[in-house]
Amino acid sequence: EVQLLESGGGLLQPGGSLRLSCAASGFTFSSYAMSWVRQAPGKGLEWVSTIPGSGGSTFYADSVRGRFTISRDNSKDTLFLQMHSLGAEDTAVYYCAKHTDFSPSRSYFDRWGQGTLVTVSS
Amino acid sequence: EIVLTQSPATLSLSPGERATLSCRASQSVSNYLAWYQQKPGQAPRLLIYDASNRATGIPGRFRGSGSGTDFTLTISSLEPEDFAVYYCQQRGKGTFGQGTKLEIK
Repeated sequence: EVQLLESGGGLLQPGGSLRLSCAASGFTFSSYAMSWVRQAPGKGLEWVSTIPGSGGSTFYADSVRGRFTISRDNSKDTLFLQMHSLGAEDTAVYYCAKHTDFSPSRSYFDRWGQGTLVTVSS
Repeated sequence: EIVLTQSPATLSLSPGERATLSCRASQSVSNYLAWYQQKPGQAPRLLIYDASNRATGIPGRFRGSGSGTDFTLTISSLEPEDFAVYYCQQRGKGTFGQGTKLEIK
């Protein structure tokens, strides 16, 4: 069974940094692209970042480019999101999501974790 | 950048009724569109991919249609567990529609 377990969320002050992790199991992790998607309280889904199965080219939403870095460790079946210069607008539940294909451009999100809450507040 | 616009924002129906949700793209996305369902406190779930293909385990009452810029998700006869928020998404891109909340009338 596919499982995605996010961790690393919490409460932090504006300007702070945080690293999220997503531990994957139940599938061949390196064979699939992975993404982070966030959802601010009471709002819709916002794609954040994507990384191919090989960990090559990465993609970011304009709202986080230059502040967030996505990476993966295929030897440990783990996805990461390093976040810097956080602001109140980054407050959200962060989901990791498995793509249906190795390539991000040919795929959708067929499995999601339960999410980890990041709250940025002074 | 392609923008996905969903309508209506809220749809109020009763169990047993037919639901029709719309997603319009600002330019053609061919048939590369998905639909997701999200219930309160839960992660989204993939329902439909490539506009009309049901994902694994999705009941037959969910049907996707459309191509180009206009897409529809139809739920033929609403079950109590179908009341949720529905999002469309363009394949390969992160863009989601703003969602349609399907609520019990």
